[in-house]
Amino acid sequence: EPEVTQTPSHQVTQMGQEVILRCVPISNHLYFYWYRQILGQKVEFLVSFYNNEISEKSEIFDDQFSVERPDGSNFTLKIRSTKLEDSAMYFCASNAASTDTQYFGPGTRLTVL
Amino acid sequence: ILNVEQSPQSLHVQEGDSTNFTCSFPSSNFYALHWYRWETAKSPEALFVMTLNGDEKKKGRISATLNTKEGYSYLYIKGSQPEDSATYLCAFRRSGAGSYQLTFGKGTKLSVIP
Repeated sequence: EPEVTQTPSHQVTQMGQEVILRCVPISNHLYFYWYRQILGQKVEFLVSFYNNEISEKSEIFDDQFSVERPDGSNFTLKIRSTKLEDSAMYFCASNAASTDTQYFGPGTRLTVL
Repeated sequence: ILNVEQSPQSLHVQEGDSTNFTCSFPSSNFYALHWYRWETAKSPEALFVMTLNGDEKKKGRISATLNTKEGYSYLYIKGSQPEDSATYLCAFRRSGAGSYQLTFGKGTKLSVIP
């Protein structure tokens, strides 16, 4: 069964460094998302992406964040200059045009030291 | 700010017991209510997407109901098994053109004791 994959599973970085989190959505899906969960808190929406542009973003998704679909398969989230409070589990999700179900990847745990 | 709440926060049941938990969400601007099952270190697994008031969906021993007028959904598990141990998340999607974001509750962590 097709699934969303994410790499790496765990990323440790120093404050101020740039990180890129990678996702491979399900191949025929057209809508892509990033969510995150800070430990002990709710899963929060960051951004949605469709037709090669951002369709919706939350207050969290400020100028330090960017997303890209560099080729036909990858979907990336870049954090330009990481802060301690960016430490969280980051989830990628995707859905097809024909369904409302968003399929989630297993997440990347980002630890900012 | 949309408020999605789940209760209880955690639950321990004996194998074979049936159980249920609640998700409450805004009763206005409703589009859909999603349920996910999430085991640690795995992808959250989509269980149901519910859109119609009064809807009831079933997947094996798990079922869910929806009341959009009062803003709640129940998830039921019949005859719990140890493999049902997981965190169950609900997520609300509001109506509105171009709005696909999900607003999640904090989840109910279910532990099934053999």
